Amino acid sequence: NAGVMQNPRHLVRRRGQEARLRCSPMKGHSHVYWYRQLPEEGLKFMVYLQKENIIDESGMPKERFSAEFPKEGPSILRIQQVVRGDSAAYFCASSSTAQGGTDTQYFGPGTRLTVL
Amino acid sequence: GQSLEQPSEVTAVEGAIVQINCTYQTSGFYGLSWYQQHDGGAPTFLSYNALDGLEETGRFSSFLSRSDSYGYLLLQELQMKDSASYFCAVRSYNTDKLIFGTGTRLQVFP
Repeated sequence: NAGVMQNPRHLVRRRGQEARLRCSPMKGHSHVYWYRQLPEEGLKFMVYLQKENIIDESGMPKERFSAEFPKEGPSILRIQQVVRGDSAAYFCASSSTAQGGTDTQYFGPGTRLTVL
Repeated sequence: GQSLEQPSEVTAVEGAIVQINCTYQTSGFYGLSWYQQHDGGAPTFLSYNALDGLEETGRFSSFLSRSDSYGYLLLQELQMKDSASYFCAVRSYNTDKLIFGTGTRLQVFP
């Protein structure tokens, strides 16, 4: 049973370009979460999605960031017009139970974004 | 707001026992989780306390006291490979998002 998969593992972009980060949840999981981790800091929640629905995007910056989890295919975190401050590790996690459950969130290996 | 505080760094020697504390201020949550993260790696789930008390999983144990707004992770028979960062996290009542603590960097010396 494959775990949470993320690609690419490393992504380099120049300021002003777009970054697309992909996440495939564990088999049987329909809940996806995105977190951001700056160097030497903890993880900060960004967005929680279920298939075709954004449940909680309270941690997403208001501009340039968007996320989706289509009916088919991986979840996508999209950052438009990247700036140096976007350089971070972006982790995706998935879980299987409905909201309010106690199921564990399992993390993918992360995408390390570097903005030049 | 919600915040979870941890000591920034803990050091110990191989074979020793170490306790990593987590104190929190949050309005409500489902339970307290602990994650391990090696440098450059992903957070790995270690333990979960839904109720007050002690949960034991091999060399690792975790404790929660909701009345004291406090929990800890206990690592026994430390090994060099335990050198990593450890994060406590709560799962919010309102949504299922995890709110992570500030993290504790554990260094194990021979």
